[in-house]
Amino acid sequence: EAQVTQNPRYLITVTGKKLTVTCSQNMNHEYMSWYRQDPGLGLRQIYYSMNVEVTDKGDVPEGYKVSRKEKRNFPLILESPSPNQTSLYFCASSAGTGSRKAGGPDNEQFFGPGTRLTVL
Amino acid sequence: AQSVAQPEDQVNVAEGNPLTVKCTYSVSGNPYLFWYVQYPNRGLQFLLKYITGDNLVKGSYGFEAEFNKSQTSFHLKKPSALVSDSALYFCAVSHMNTGFQKLVFGTGTRLLVSP
Repeated sequence: EAQVTQNPRYLITVTGKKLTVTCSQNMNHEYMSWYRQDPGLGLRQIYYSMNVEVTDKGDVPEGYKVSRKEKRNFPLILESPSPNQTSLYFCASSAGTGSRKAGGPDNEQFFGPGTRLTVL
Repeated sequence: AQSVAQPEDQVNVAEGNPLTVKCTYSVSGNPYLFWYVQYPNRGLQFLLKYITGDNLVKGSYGFEAEFNKSQTSFHLKKPSALVSDSALYFCAVSHMNTGFQKLVFGTGTRLLVSP
């Protein structure tokens, strides 16, 4: 089954304790992205990756890191979590396109089930 | 910068009636536009997209959307609402100035369909 998986689904942690949220897709997609969802703000893009070893900042990258060492995995790292990073996080992936130089998600994005993070 | 506005936090409609969920965008040039739906405790699911071509786009579950360049709108519509359509709906836009790499979402509209 084609899917995007995230782990853990729920996490409660304390300020300053490093954590990693994993994301994996089995569709051989080039494009992957992380979003956070907050009430009244919709989804905001944190980081995205066009392919292996190619990552770039979205609209709210502060306090987050990512890596893309393998095509299927795109972990989100919080080196020193703070309470304002309490949120619902979604990973997504999309097939790239070869029709343009800067291929992007003109195809639909497939979303993971979400990770609810609470930072105390 | 590109942006998306969903002016209604919530839309209420009776089952069987037509529904419209509004979306307007702000980009220069030609946008790529998307609608996604989120059911409770689930990730987002793709409904439909406009890239180019026919302004009326048909998508999943009987939904359609009309791209209106002069009004910079991309409203989501369905001729006859179902109770099961109750969910959170997001409009999103990407643009060539960012290489279509960034996807900007609206704040979402909650659709409630009453029996």
